[in-house]
Amino acid sequence: NAGVTQTPKFQVLKTGQSMTLQCAQDMNHNSMYWYRQDPGMGLRLIYYSASEGTTDKGEVPNGYNVSRLNKREFSLRLESAAPSQTSVYFCASSAFKDTQYFGPGTRLTVL
Amino acid sequence: KQEVTQIPAALSVPEGENLVLNCSFTDSAIYNLQWFRQDPGKGLTSLLLIQSSQREQTSGRLNASLDKSSGRSTLYIAASQPGDSATYLCAVPYSSASKIIFGSGTRLSIRP
Repeated sequence: NAGVTQTPKFQVLKTGQSMTLQCAQDMNHNSMYWYRQDPGMGLRLIYYSASEGTTDKGEVPNGYNVSRLNKREFSLRLESAAPSQTSVYFCASSAFKDTQYFGPGTRLTVL
Repeated sequence: KQEVTQIPAALSVPEGENLVLNCSFTDSAIYNLQWFRQDPGKGLTSLLLIQSSQREQTSGRLNASLDKSSGRSTLYIAASQPGDSATYLCAVPYSSASKIIFGSGTRLSIRP
């Protein structure tokens, strides 16, 4: 039982490049989330998926797209990376109205 | 709009002391509140989840209380140890059952 896994752990991009962050959970949770964490700003919700086949915007969705590929996997895509997207990205999953379980994070630097 | 505040932002105490971390929220219509721990460079680990019908939850040396009417929660850590050093965050739901909002956290340092 791996919980929530994220790949890659670290990534450096140049401005304008694209990339996809992968997230998978093996707890059979319906809901999955993407957050970013920045110093002084705390954790902010980018997108979430309440159930397979649905996605909704969070607090800071601009510049990102998501795909709920199946119940296990929820990916986050940066189409044209900007320095302002330098951050630590966390994926999480939960059952309905239950605690959220977090992955180890992806440290992204955009030059 | 729900807002979550944690004061103080940082706290340093000697080993062995009992301590209390505070969390306040502006909208009392919540169905639960969660406390998380985050070690440097790591993800968040859930510590306690208190349902709105409960007043407190305990796990080992940790005890979390919830007072919805006053919009407050406290996390009590008994007999603190250096291994308790971490950032502690509280979180409450907002606008839907699927979304939660986090406080900015209290960075706790336990001095040996």
